[in-house]
Amino acid sequence: GQNIDQPTEMTATEGAIVQINCTYQTSGFNGLFWYQQHAGEAPTFLSYNVLDGLEEKGRFSSFLSRSKGYSYLLLKELQMKDSASYLCAVRGPYSGSARQLTFGSGTQLTVLP
Amino acid sequence: DSGVTQTPKHLITATGQRVTLRCSPRSGDLSVYWYQQSLDQGLQFLIQYYNGEERAKGNILERFSAQQFPDLHSELNLSSLELGDSALYFCASSVTGGLNTEAFFGQGTRLTVV
Repeated sequence: GQNIDQPTEMTATEGAIVQINCTYQTSGFNGLFWYQQHAGEAPTFLSYNVLDGLEEKGRFSSFLSRSKGYSYLLLKELQMKDSASYLCAVRGPYSGSARQLTFGSGTQLTVLP
Repeated sequence: DSGVTQTPKHLITATGQRVTLRCSPRSGDLSVYWYQQSLDQGLQFLIQYYNGEERAKGNILERFSAQQFPDLHSELNLSSLELGDSALYFCASSVTGGLNTEAFFGQGTRLTVV
């Protein structure tokens, strides 16, 4: 099975940088995803890591260390619209042609003016 | 727009009733996932189908069932509904093959059991 841990809440100021951590224990690993979810809306894909290292995508970057079972999402130049829940998700072992995606409980980020 | 369509958007029903939620995946996606999201919980994986066959089961109650049809749309059936079943139900789809294939989510069905 898989166990994913993220902080429940974080607060940051507009224009600042925030790092949201995610740790996981899994019986099989085939990638880690970060999703953003505004209240009552569908999660939207932000980033994907399968190899160790940093993936950068505009104001968002995601880092993975497979040996440590650790990832973080870095958000730069925070904007008010970044206030949302950030979900860490781990893709499990290969099973046929499908892989299960297991989500953490999410980190609710509040950006203050 | 993710390309994943869920109907209905909102559903209000009474305890003990049965409802069916529908999901049309993105064109070409063979995998469909169902998730439940309650107010105080994260996304809970319920069940996954691939090309019509059940592939993985998560925390799905026996009162719940799902299927994927030949045209790849999927339905989630919830029966003997309880107040605690009130939640957002999301469907997601993904392509098979490749490593960096993210799941695309529909807008969800908000179920309220009264």
